[in-house]
Amino acid sequence: GNSVTQMEGPVTLSEEAFLTINCTYTATGYPSLFWYVQYPGEGLQLLLKATKADDKGSNKGFEATYRKETTSFHLEKGSVQVSDSAVYFCALIKTGNQFYFGTGTSLTVIP
Amino acid sequence: DTGVSQDPRHKITKRGQNVTFRCDPISEHNRLYWYRQTLGQGPEFLTYFQNEAQLEKSRLLSDRFSAERPKGSFSTLEIQRTEQGDSAMYLCASSSAGEGEKLFFGSGTQLSVL
Repeated sequence: GNSVTQMEGPVTLSEEAFLTINCTYTATGYPSLFWYVQYPGEGLQLLLKATKADDKGSNKGFEATYRKETTSFHLEKGSVQVSDSAVYFCALIKTGNQFYFGTGTSLTVIP
Repeated sequence: DTGVSQDPRHKITKRGQNVTFRCDPISEHNRLYWYRQTLGQGPEFLTYFQNEAQLEKSRLLSDRFSAERPKGSFSTLEIQRTEQGDSAMYLCASSSAGEGEKLFFGSGTQLSVL
């Protein structure tokens, strides 16, 4: 079946550090892949997406590349800020309208 | 655009009681979703509406759960004869026809069944 596995947190980084949050997926065929973010006190919102192999999604300095050979969609940012503190969810959609979400990774950035 | 709103924010009920939650999506969005999230887990799909039609329903959704979207605007999710295992955050999301994959989530209704 379809599923997403992401690295467990919580992750704590100092401001300006490099961030990687790992995400791997299981799905037949070619799903679309997403990162959603939930800031404190807010609902989940789309951060970036990629719809086919080798696509790179990017937004707000975050990037993730759809790697079919490793079934991965790791989230990276070169220099995190305090305002990036949030919970990050990797997700996929295959057919229909059913998203499959990972368990979420909590990130705290300290000044 | 006031975002997706859900009511109530918190609900405490006794086992066996019925509860109903409401979701008001972003006004121009014709797609509406219900998800459930438990502690330490990601959101789990429950059901999906396009306008007033319920087009998808999770196999995990018990017969005690029912959702409606009678006029294609707001939606309600009812849980009958609640059980302790129903305790979770119930999330509503909406999206537009043109950007169906860009979900806008509400802040959720936290249900506690005692």
